[in-house]
Amino acid sequence: DAKTTQPTSMDCAEGRAANLPCNHSTISGNEYVYWYRQIHSQGPQYIIHGLKNNETNEMASLIITEDRKSSTLILPHATLRDTAVYYCIVRALADYKLSFGAGTTVTVRA
Amino acid sequence: GAGVSQTPSNKVTEKGKYVELRCDPISGHTALYWYRQSLGQGPEFLIYFQGTGAADDSGLPNDRFFAVRPEGSVSTLKIQRTERGDSAVYLCASSLTGQGLDEQFFGPGTRLTVL
Repeated sequence: DAKTTQPTSMDCAEGRAANLPCNHSTISGNEYVYWYRQIHSQGPQYIIHGLKNNETNEMASLIITEDRKSSTLILPHATLRDTAVYYCIVRALADYKLSFGAGTTVTVRA
Repeated sequence: GAGVSQTPSNKVTEKGKYVELRCDPISGHTALYWYRQSLGQGPEFLIYFQGTGAADDSGLPNDRFFAVRPEGSVSTLKIQRTERGDSAVYLCASSLTGQGLDEQFFGPGTRLTVL
């Protein structure tokens, strides 16, 4: 049973911010929101994770709603190299395995 | 530094044959994971090693699949009597401890095609 719901695909313009939504309405209090991405012919790559506060790193920002039922991954200035499948994953502290859904295929266009 | 490496990058075999897929984790990582990714889907967990032992093999689809990690470093995923449905990309990942919110680092995968 899927713990997250993401749009199948989305396009964004190079140089603009890309906002990737994720719904996780059944998230538990001890579960974190993780984002990974997978560029074509590569393995998944960690992007960012958060519990309830917004997080930012050199790759992206993660905005989690106050009720924690949804989140948005923001790529501030999308480049062509950001074209990939983006996976939103809910993970508890004790979860050593990652449960991937189908993800969102993001295509950045020049 | 060196990341997770997997060999071969591509493997084509015939139905019924035996195959071995190798994973070299990041040096010093005690945890190692195997995932399988079918076309158009996200990776699915197969097995998790903590050191030399398989801590969780609940994702292995059947007894034709087996994995080892004899010295706690390199791991080999073994598939006996391959079937066309085994065709997929097999991904390996490693992490420092396998505990808490350890980041998993993935290799590029081995694309297995069973004819």
